[in-house]
Amino acid sequence: QKEVEQDPGPLSVPEGAIVSLNCTYSNSAFQYFMWYRQYSRKGPELLMYTYSSGNKEDGRFTAQVDKSSKYISLFIRDSQPSDSATYLCAIVRDTGRRALTFGSGTRLQVQP
Amino acid sequence: DTGVSQDPRHKITKRGQNVTFRCDPISEHNRLYWYRQTLGQGPEFLTYFQNEAQLEKSRLLSDRFSAERPKGSFSTLEIQRTEQGDSAMYLCASSSPAGAVYEQYFGPGTRLTVT
Repeated sequence: QKEVEQDPGPLSVPEGAIVSLNCTYSNSAFQYFMWYRQYSRKGPELLMYTYSSGNKEDGRFTAQVDKSSKYISLFIRDSQPSDSATYLCAIVRDTGRRALTFGSGTRLQVQP
Repeated sequence: DTGVSQDPRHKITKRGQNVTFRCDPISEHNRLYWYRQTLGQGPEFLTYFQNEAQLEKSRLLSDRFSAERPKGSFSTLEIQRTEQGDSAMYLCASSSPAGAVYEQYFGPGTRLTVT
C-alpha cells in the first residue's frame, strides 16, 4: 500500500466551479500535510501546508485535514483556467526526516 | 531570477553512458534535495544535503547514482551506466536554514531520456 494515495484524474470543470481534490494516507503518525501545484514542464510549487486537523484558508484555496479518517483535501473556489495544473499532495513522515512523500498527482483542467 | 536553477533542462543519452546534472539552489539555502519524477507520478525523494554533508539517501539511489555538494553551494547528480528505466525528470529543491521541513522550493527539473 502506498503511503499517500491520490486519484490521478484528469478532472475537468467549467470556469467558476468549486474543485475538490483529495488524498488518503496510511500512517496516522504523519504530521505535516502539503499541497503543491505543478504546471506542465515545471517544478512543483508549494500552495499550502497544514499541521493539524481542521481547515486552513488562503484566498480561493482551502486545505482540510481529517486525521481520524486520514484524509486530506484541497478546495479551490471560483476556479480559473490558470488553475489548470497537476495538484500533488505531500506528507512528511516524521520530523526527523526531511524527505517529502508525494501522491501521484491529480491533473485538473478548468475549461473557460 | 533568484530561484533554483538546474542544468541542463533536457538530456538525451544512450544506454550505458554517464550523465551529470547540476543544481544551483537559492542563495543562502543550506539544504538541498534531489527528487525523481516519472510520468504520471509524484516526485520521489532521492537524497538530501545540509551544507556539504549528505544526510539522507533513499533506497532508490542505487550504486550507479552519486550526488555531491562539495562546497555546500551547488550540487551535482551523476548517473553511471544509464538504463532506460532512468528516464525521468530529476528535480532539485532547496530550503533555508530557518525553513520548515515542508518549505522546499523546486527548480524546473532536468528531463533525462535514455534511448
